[in-house]
Amino acid sequence: DTGVSQDPRHKITKRGQNVTFRCDPISEHNRLYWYRQTLGQGPEFLTYFQNEAQLEKSRLLSDRFSAERPKGSFSTLEIQRTEQGDSAMYLCASSLLGGHDEQYFGPGTRLTVT
Amino acid sequence: GQQLNQSPQSMFIQEGEDVSMNCTSSSIFNTWLWYKQDPGEGPVLLIALYKAGELTSNGRLTAQFGTTRKDSFLNISASIPSDVGIYFCAGPAGANNLFFGTGTRLTVIP
Repeated sequence: DTGVSQDPRHKITKRGQNVTFRCDPISEHNRLYWYRQTLGQGPEFLTYFQNEAQLEKSRLLSDRFSAERPKGSFSTLEIQRTEQGDSAMYLCASSLLGGHDEQYFGPGTRLTVT
Repeated sequence: GQQLNQSPQSMFIQEGEDVSMNCTSSSIFNTWLWYKQDPGEGPVLLIALYKAGELTSNGRLTAQFGTTRKDSFLNISASIPSDVGIYFCAGPAGANNLFFGTGTRLTVIP
């Protein structure tokens, strides 16, 4: 049984570049979430998918951020024109619709914008 | 806005000692989740609580859902070096996401 996987684990990019991260949820989970975590803080919610539909976005998700889950399986999070303030750990989680509120997290992608 | 305060912020304990930490919310939760996060990794779910007053164990870990539904407690018995990490409480914020506490950083001295 594989858990949530994320790729890449680390990304260093120059300010102004675009980056894309991938998340593969637990296979039978139809709910997928993206969170951002900065140093010393707990994860903060960015956006949520149920199957392929993006149903909720946080105000933290600026216009430069876009997320997709085209076939209701893996998801991508793209950040355009990266800024130094985007440096953070980006976490993906998944859960089962109809289950409790338990969410299972992947190992995260650490983004550093120089 | 919603707040989840964890106490203490950090703890330094000797290996073998028991650990207690708590989480207090500004609003009522119907579910409490406890996660542990190692450096550079994602949070790992330890225990989930669904009912006020509920006491649930997972090995050396025991968590309780406070009767006011505004707090929760996590205890670790006979700590070992691999217990080192940051412990987060979390609860549902709306229908579709979790709100996380401020975290308790645990250091175990061998």
